[in-house]
Amino acid sequence: DVKVTQSSRYLVKRTGEKVFLECVQDMDHENMFWYRQDPGLGLRLIYFSYDVKMKEKGDIPEGYSVSREKKERFSLILESASTNQTSMYLCAIRAGTSRGTGELFFGEGSRLTVL
Amino acid sequence: AQSVTQPDIHITVSEGASLELRCNYSYGATPYLFWYVQSPGQGLQLLLKYFSGDTLVQGIKGFEAEFKRSQSSFNLRKPSVHWSDAAEYFCAVTRGAGGFKTIFGAGTRLFVKA
Repeated sequence: DVKVTQSSRYLVKRTGEKVFLECVQDMDHENMFWYRQDPGLGLRLIYFSYDVKMKEKGDIPEGYSVSREKKERFSLILESASTNQTSMYLCAIRAGTSRGTGELFFGEGSRLTVL
Repeated sequence: AQSVTQPDIHITVSEGASLELRCNYSYGATPYLFWYVQSPGQGLQLLLKYFSGDTLVQGIKGFEAEFKRSQSSFNLRKPSVHWSDAAEYFCAVTRGAGGFKTIFGAGTRLFVKA
């Protein structure tokens, strides 16, 4: 089974703090994604990565950055957290080749509250 | 722009009744279509997917979905709902070169009453 692990399930941070959300996979999948989930809006893509050190902006990248130094780890960074970044963050990987099935496997999510 | 619409924010059905969750997409080419389910406090799990071929696809937990190109729809169905099906359901489409980007509908929350 594909396993996607998000190290922090719940975080509470203050406005202006730097926040790191970590995502680790246990296989050799190339494509990794960060989404945020908000009620009534579904999941919106923040950033994705298709290989080590490669990244591309998703639909809502403002206020976020990412890092992928190793294939198994994809980090989401909030340089200066703001209250409107309070949300559920979901990491996902795509199984198969980049032009394959497109199925995503998700971690359990990191719920971030910014005060 | 490509989009996925789930018209129903929430639906309540009685246990044992049939279920249909609606999904419409806007996408120029033949899409890859998915339904995911999210139980409370969990990540999303794939229920089923459609790429090509038979337009009626079977998934896990007794769910099925039908792709109708003429209606740009991919509705999810189950003949008899169980209380454990209470969850949030997301329709999604993969787009873009190489199928990198998957976009999701806003979700439909299913409530099951005894």
